[in-house]
Amino acid sequence: AQTVTQSQPEMSVQEAETVTLSCTYDTSENNYYLFWYKQPPSRQMILVIRQEAYKQQNATENRFSVNFQKAAKSFSLKISDSQLGDTAMYFCAFMKWETSGSRLTFGEGTQLTVNP
Amino acid sequence: DTEVTQTPKHLVMGMTNKKSLKCEQHMGHRAMYWYKQKAKKPPELMFVYSYEKLSINESVPSRFSPECPNSSLLNLHLHALQPEDSALYLCASSHASRGVMNTEAFFGQGTRLTVV
Repeated sequence: AQTVTQSQPEMSVQEAETVTLSCTYDTSENNYYLFWYKQPPSRQMILVIRQEAYKQQNATENRFSVNFQKAAKSFSLKISDSQLGDTAMYFCAFMKWETSGSRLTFGEGTQLTVNP
Repeated sequence: DTEVTQTPKHLVMGMTNKKSLKCEQHMGHRAMYWYKQKAKKPPELMFVYSYEKLSINESVPSRFSPECPNSSLLNLHLHALQPEDSALYLCASSHASRGVMNTEAFFGQGTRLTVV
């Protein structure tokens, strides 16, 4: 079974600054996907960024980028130029394909607060 | 259209009631999911439907009964629930085939269920 660990239950950052959220995972799989989702108070889970394990290049989406270290099983999220709208719970998630379908395993989440 | 629509947004039901949660998507996804989320915790997988067939049941009590009438709709029928079943119920959808480029799950806004 896969496990995902987010060691920072809460973090805060000043508007316009940079913050890094950490995530580690444990798996014996070689082919899998990693995601960061954000969940604002509106409750909807929104995809922030996606990383395929077979790709060595780190994914980037505008102000969001990841540092994917496959050997270390680490998948951190960097948010640059933080905005008030980035305030949310952030979940790191692991996905692998099974014969019965895909399964997402989430970390416990990191509550990020962006202060004005 | 990248929306997953869930109805109702809020539901209060007694322990003897029967109610249903509904979920709809029109992205052509053939995998649909039900998750349960307690406050300040990550979503927990309940059921997975792949090509309209139930493929994963995470040992969910029989008072929760899923149904997938067609490739766009997913229902969760509720009967004789307990107060501890109060939670946010999230529906999600994704492509069902390995190798598809965009493998992420899209989530609805959830139904906030309170059992009294």
